Amino acid sequence: GNSVTQMEGPVTLSEEAFLTINCTYTATGYPSLFWYVQYPGEGLQLLLKATKADDKGSNKGFEATYRKETTSFHLEKGSVQVSDSAVYFCATQGAQKLVFGQGTRLTINP
Amino acid sequence: DGGITQSPKYLFRKEGQNVTLSCEQNLNHDAMYWYRQDPGQGLRLIYYSQIVNDFQKGDIAEGYSVSREKKESFPLTVTSAQKNPTAFYLCASGPLRDSREKLFFGSGTQLSVL
Repeated sequence: GNSVTQMEGPVTLSEEAFLTINCTYTATGYPSLFWYVQYPGEGLQLLLKATKADDKGSNKGFEATYRKETTSFHLEKGSVQVSDSAVYFCATQGAQKLVFGQGTRLTINP
Repeated sequence: DGGITQSPKYLFRKEGQNVTLSCEQNLNHDAMYWYRQDPGQGLRLIYYSQIVNDFQKGDIAEGYSVSREKKESFPLTVTSAQKNPTAFYLCASGPLRDSREKLFFGSGTQLSVL
């Protein structure tokens, strides 16, 4: 079945640094791809999505581009803030469900 | 306010005890899901339901049971057969046609073994 693999965490950056969290996928066909975010003590919420190749999803300064040639959907942000500290999950569509990666914990220091 | 509510926030289980985690949603969603979250392992699907009185096993259903008697409720029972129940449990829901896209999550229940 479809699956995603995320870069190992945790990731620690200083405020205003550039962020990349890597995600690669294995899929039959071209399923939609997603990034979900989990802030401390909360459930997950959808951050952004892309539904086809070369689509770029964006939200709250985060971006990710669906790249068929490299089977990737890396999450990027140009200047992170302390409030971006959270766990980030890459996800794709499985049969009747979403399939999540293992999550990457991001900590931003002031 | 519409949303998905999990309770309790923290739960402790004794040896040999069954415990039930509550999940209620007032979003009128058909599909509901239970995920288990362990550090470094991401989310693993336990059970899901797409319609009242019907549910399907996910990837790690052993030691768990569910019911879906009402559209808005999808309780999860962690039975004594689950030998390693300590984890963070997340309930989610979504409209059936979008359930493979956007899910709405509760704030989770942390289950620990005494």
